[in-house]
Amino acid sequence: QVQLQESGPGLVKPSQTLSLTCTVSGGSISSNDYFWSWIRQPPGKGLEWIGYIYYRGTTFYNPSLKSRVTISVDTSKNQLSLKLSSVTAADTAVFYCARMSTVTLDFDIWGRGTLVTVSS
Amino acid sequence: QSALTQAASVSGSPGQSITISCTGTSSDVGGYKYVSWYQQHPGKAPKLIIYEVNNRPSGVPDRFSGSKSGNTASLTISGLQAEDEADYYCSSYTTSSTVVFGGGTRLAVL
Repeated sequence: QVQLQESGPGLVKPSQTLSLTCTVSGGSISSNDYFWSWIRQPPGKGLEWIGYIYYRGTTFYNPSLKSRVTISVDTSKNQLSLKLSSVTAADTAVFYCARMSTVTLDFDIWGRGTLVTVSS
Repeated sequence: QSALTQAASVSGSPGQSITISCTGTSSDVGGYKYVSWYQQHPGKAPKLIIYEVNNRPSGVPDRFSGSKSGNTASLTISGLQAEDEADYYCSSYTTSSTVVFGGGTRLAVL
């Protein structure tokens, strides 16, 4: 069974770059059937889609975050990564990675999420 | 892109039915069948409960159903149970190849 696990620093200083990794186990990130996504949720608030990537490198980003976001994949490690630059306190959130079907375009498997706090 | 519109909260008694609406535009909800719904319990990751407007993944009770009319999608939960108390989010693919979520609806089972 495919599982996703987010990892990375839980605390980032303002103006710095947030970096997270999602490790995919039980399946290949190089599958033709899936995109791989990042989604975040500020404390007490709703879900916000950040972006998704196909294993060959094609990416799509939320227009509101596009200038600060980079999503990449490392097929050799079966991992996807997220970089969010110039962070502020408003970027404090639980960050989830999720698998997105290329056929039904839904998020069918989610990681447990990791809380990242932006604070000095 | 703007978030899809959902009511902030809804409530119902055990055994009753409730419906949660999700309103978008012709560029998202109205333009595609790719509307999905997610259930999120406190402190947990969201769980897919409806995909492609009205399909249930394996293991999701048939008490959960979805529909769509124009730019508005709906999630109906019949025979409410205490365990259904959670936050519910809709999501849609868009004409820009992006994804947009609704603001979420908190369901209270009284």
